[in-house]
Amino acid sequence: DVKVTQSSRYLVKRTGEKVFLECVQDMDHENMFWYRQDPGLGLRLIYFSYDVKMKEKGDIPEGYSVSREKKERFSLILESASTNQTSMYLCASSPRGGGAGTEAFFGQGTRLTVV
Amino acid sequence: SQKIEQNSEALNIQEGKTATLTCNYTNYSPAYLQWYRQDPGRGPVFLLLIRENEKEKRKERLKVTFDTTLKQSLFHITASQPADSATYLCALDPSGGANNLFFGTGTRLTVIP
Repeated sequence: DVKVTQSSRYLVKRTGEKVFLECVQDMDHENMFWYRQDPGLGLRLIYFSYDVKMKEKGDIPEGYSVSREKKERFSLILESASTNQTSMYLCASSPRGGGAGTEAFFGQGTRLTVV
Repeated sequence: SQKIEQNSEALNIQEGKTATLTCNYTNYSPAYLQWYRQDPGRGPVFLLLIRENEKEKRKERLKVTFDTTLKQSLFHITASQPADSATYLCALDPSGGANNLFFGTGTRLTVIP
């Protein structure tokens, strides 16, 4: 079974804190993604990575950075947390290539609250 | 701008009936379209994928259609059950390599016993 594991289910942080969200996948997937999900807005892509040390901005990268030092691990960093970053954060991975079998596998999500 | 719309935020249906969810898109030429199920407090789970040159795909009680002329996909659950209650998301894959998926906002389906 493919497994994408996010380090925390729930997090509460203070405004201005530096926050790290960790994600690990065990299927040797090349692609990894960070989304945030907000009511009425759906899933919005923050960053994605298609290889170690590679990263690409998604639709809403402002206020975030990422790190991919190892293939199985993709970290999302909130440099200085703000209340408008309160959200559900979802990590996903997928194999490179095309065709059937390139669906995304998601972690269980991290509900982050910034107070 | 790019836009993906799912017909309604919420859909209630009687057990045993067929649920039909709609996904409309503009300004895309997707190679693939995917459907996911998401339960409260959980990440989405992949259900079905359909290619641009396929009209219909089936998996057990699920059926997906894809009309690239209308820019629309329909997702059907036949003989619906209360356990089918969840939010269903469509996702467009322009490249066919899942390098970037564009998601709709989802439809919350409730199947009433």
